[in-house]
Amino acid sequence: DAKTTQPNSMESNEEEPVHLPCNHSTISGTDYIHWYRQLPSQGPEYVIHGLTSNVNNRMASLAIAEDRKSSTLILHRATLRDAAVYYCIPGGDTGTASKLTFGTGTRLQVTL
Amino acid sequence: NAGVTQTPKFRVLKTGQSMTLLCAQDMNHEYMYWYRQDPGMGLRLIHYSVGEGTTAKGEVPDGYNVSRLKKQNFLLGLESAAPSQTSVYFCASSQARGELFFGEGSRLTVL
Repeated sequence: DAKTTQPNSMESNEEEPVHLPCNHSTISGTDYIHWYRQLPSQGPEYVIHGLTSNVNNRMASLAIAEDRKSSTLILHRATLRDAAVYYCIPGGDTGTASKLTFGTGTRLQVTL
Repeated sequence: NAGVTQTPKFRVLKTGQSMTLLCAQDMNHEYMYWYRQDPGMGLRLIHYSVGEGTTAKGEVPDGYNVSRLKKQNFLLGLESAAPSQTSVYFCASSQARGELFFGEGSRLTVL
């Protein structure tokens, strides 16, 4: 499994953009990059995933470096509800079971 | 739409007791998973299933057994609970293309 490095914690002001970095220098050529988040006292929830190209959805954007050794999750306007632990997870998306390995992630604090 | 439902949400056991956690999903997903999360740590995969009647070991399977007799249900059993199994347990399900849907968790304390 590819090893990931994420900051332990980050802070942001409400209504401002947040860039959450992830280093995955040992990622394999076929691994997707998945992002999940875990709100307090809840199970993780899917945020976004991508392979090579940048991806956008209603929750966030994912910017993937050209060499795929790092990626950045972008929350365009942080709200208090975005306070959570964010997990960056390289893993397969090839029709097999999603045996994703969750590390310790980045704890995002959002303040008024 | 209920999604993934875990039962029970809280349980306290004495060392050596047995119990079963039930996970039910109503999304017709093929794959189901059991994770555990200890304080300050990420989720670790215990067992998973790629379809009805099949199960496989994950990262930390020792001390647990699982069964998938029906597609919508995935049971996690502890035959003889130990204090080291005190944790929050999360069930998840997915279709083949990866996005995991998680339950709200089951908090287990073993005294």
